[in-house]
Amino acid sequence: AQSVTQPDIHITVSEGASLELRCNYSYGATPYLFWYVQSPGQGLQLLLKYFSGDTLVQGIKGFEAEFKRSQSSFNLRKPSVHWSDAAEYFCAVGARQGGKLIFGQGTELSVKP
Amino acid sequence: AAGVIQSPRHLIKEKRETATLKCYPIPRHDTVYWYQQGPGQDPQFLISFYEKMQSDKGSIPDRFSAQQFSDYHSELNMSSLELGDSALYFCASSSRDLSTDTQYFGPGTRLTVL
Repeated sequence: AQSVTQPDIHITVSEGASLELRCNYSYGATPYLFWYVQSPGQGLQLLLKYFSGDTLVQGIKGFEAEFKRSQSSFNLRKPSVHWSDAAEYFCAVGARQGGKLIFGQGTELSVKP
Repeated sequence: AAGVIQSPRHLIKEKRETATLKCYPIPRHDTVYWYQQGPGQDPQFLISFYEKMQSDKGSIPDRFSAQQFSDYHSELNMSSLELGDSALYFCASSSRDLSTDTQYFGPGTRLTVL
C-alpha cells in the first residue's frame, strides 16, 4: 500500500539551530516527492519537489531535501531556522501525470527564541 | 503569479443543508484536485478531473459530487451535510501539458456544519 510516514508529530528547535524533518514513504512505482508547508488556517505552500536527477533538491526559504532510495526517505533540512518557519510541514508522495497526492501526518514545528 | 482561487473562503451551514465550493485553477492548468483536511488531520484526496473528465476518485462520500467545466473551473457539491463534514477543503491544480506534475494548492474553503 502507498503511504507516507512522518515519525515526528511535533518538533521544537531554537532559532538559529539546524532542522531536519523526517519522511519515509512506501510506494510501488518511482515516486514523485514533495514537501509542503501550512501555516495555521492557511493553504499548502510548496517548498520543494523531487522528480528525478540530483537527489539533493533545493527549495524556497532556504530548505533542502535529500532523496535516499535505499532508505525510502526524503528528509527536509534547513541549516538555520527562523521564527517565521514555525508551521506544519507535510511530506507527500504522488505518481506522475496527474496522480493524487498521499500525505504524511504532518510535523508541527515550533521555534524557540 | 496567478494562484488557485477558491470561493467562498468560509462557509457555515446547518446539518442536512447543501453546499457548493468553487475552484478556479491556475491559467493553463488542465487538472483539478479536491482534498479534505479535517481538524488536526492531513489532507485526504477526494476526486480529480483532467480535461473535464473524472480522472481519479478517493474517499469521497456518495453525498458529494463534483465536476469540471469547459473553462476548467471546478465545483464540489455537498448535500445532506453532516457535522463530520466540517473541514478545510482544498483545491489544487496542475498541468500535464507543462509536464510539471506539481500540484499548487488554493487557500482552502473552511466549511463549518452546525
